[in-house]
Amino acid sequence: QKEVEQNSGPLSVPEGAIASLNCTYSDRGSQSFFWYRQYSGKSPELIMFIYSNGDKEDGRFTAQLNKASQYVSLLIRDSQPSDSATYLCAVRRGSTLGRLYFGRGTQLTVWP
Amino acid sequence: TAGITQAPTSQILAAGRSMTLRCTQDMRHNAMYWYRQDLGLGLRLIHYSNTAGTTGKGEVPDGYSVSRANTDDFPLTLASAVPSQTSVYFCASSDSFSVGYNEQFFGPGTRLTVL
Repeated sequence: QKEVEQNSGPLSVPEGAIASLNCTYSDRGSQSFFWYRQYSGKSPELIMFIYSNGDKEDGRFTAQLNKASQYVSLLIRDSQPSDSATYLCAVRRGSTLGRLYFGRGTQLTVWP
Repeated sequence: TAGITQAPTSQILAAGRSMTLRCTQDMRHNAMYWYRQDLGLGLRLIHYSNTAGTTGKGEVPDGYSVSRANTDDFPLTLASAVPSQTSVYFCASSDSFSVGYNEQFFGPGTRLTVL
């Protein structure tokens, strides 16, 4: 089983809708969880991180973490065409310090 | 500030040739990383360095070597390139290797084609 699994997508939502991106991880000792956004041909950029169970909100973005279920998600409210990108989930395990393990990414398209 | 710079932007390389991908950061970050990104496989860690003078192997280190002579530079060398090393290579850095919150900042990438 891969360290980090994401719903493969692609995901397509209309403008103004809520986009839901999901990620599961295999190591129960994982401590920190990150969502990166990557536009086509560009490098990944961090949009959210979370390390406590529950929700964390930042503008239109909400990260949700459930350590018991080993599940982390990203909700994008009022989706905009500019949100169209690939979203990468990354996990920091407790045993490997600074290393991040990335999922394969979910491609999101927001259509007008 | 520039953040992280990588050179070259892209390169076509003949199989069997050697090449060094350059990475420089100006954020005085302690930790640096090299990833490759391939379609369908996501980002995979090649090598990392948690501080100047030390390096470690990541998930896919074979065929690659790194050095970390100082804080700012972290070059990646392909000693004898093979076509399977065709990929987009990203350098990244973070302030610390050991704290829980470990945001990694990525460079613009180098697109390498090995023929």
